[in-house]
Amino acid sequence: AQKITQTQPGMFVQEKEAVTLDCTYDTSDPSYGLFWYKQPSSGEMIFLIYQGSYDQQNATEGRYSLNFQKARKSANLVISASQLGDSAMYFCAMRRPRGGNKLTFGTGTQLKVEL
Amino acid sequence: DVKVTQSSRYLVKRTGEKVFLECVQDMDHENMFWYRQDPGLGLRLIYFSYDVKMKEKGDIPEGYSVSREKKERFSLILESASTNQTSMYLCASRRGGDGEETQYFGPGTRLLVL
Repeated sequence: AQKITQTQPGMFVQEKEAVTLDCTYDTSDPSYGLFWYKQPSSGEMIFLIYQGSYDQQNATEGRYSLNFQKARKSANLVISASQLGDSAMYFCAMRRPRGGNKLTFGTGTQLKVEL
Repeated sequence: DVKVTQSSRYLVKRTGEKVFLECVQDMDHENMFWYRQDPGLGLRLIYFSYDVKMKEKGDIPEGYSVSREKKERFSLILESASTNQTSMYLCASRRGGDGEETQYFGPGTRLLVL
């Protein structure tokens, strides 16, 4: 079975600093995809970034980048120049290799950006 | 922009009631999903539909059923609500096929069962 682990239940970061949110995954299939979502207090899940298992380069989307280390089975999210609006819950998810379009989610990391 | 809407943001029901949660998407997506979200457990898949009238159980289907009579609408049904079904329910949709296409989520329904 596939599993996603987020070991940090909560993180604090100062405004304008960079922060890394950890995500490790477990799968035996060579083909998979990894997603990060942001969930503000309003509740809606917002897609941030995607990394495919065969992608040669780490994914980047604006201030978000994904530090993909395939051998270590980790897909950490890096947020540069944190802003107050980045305060939210962040979820790592993996597209199940043989599950069609289903996703397995981690338990999430609550990020708080401080002045 | 993709829009996924859910019929209620907040819902309070009594134990034993039949509860309907409605989800509508406007992007002609083939796939639709229902999740529940609980603190410390992340999102867990309840049911999944890959086409009209087609459904597949997720990881925690017990106590739930679903209906997809039209492509744009996916309903979650709690046949007899129980207090352990108090949770946040999230609906999502996605275009068919594999790859990097993300799931698009609705705003969620916070259900309280008394």
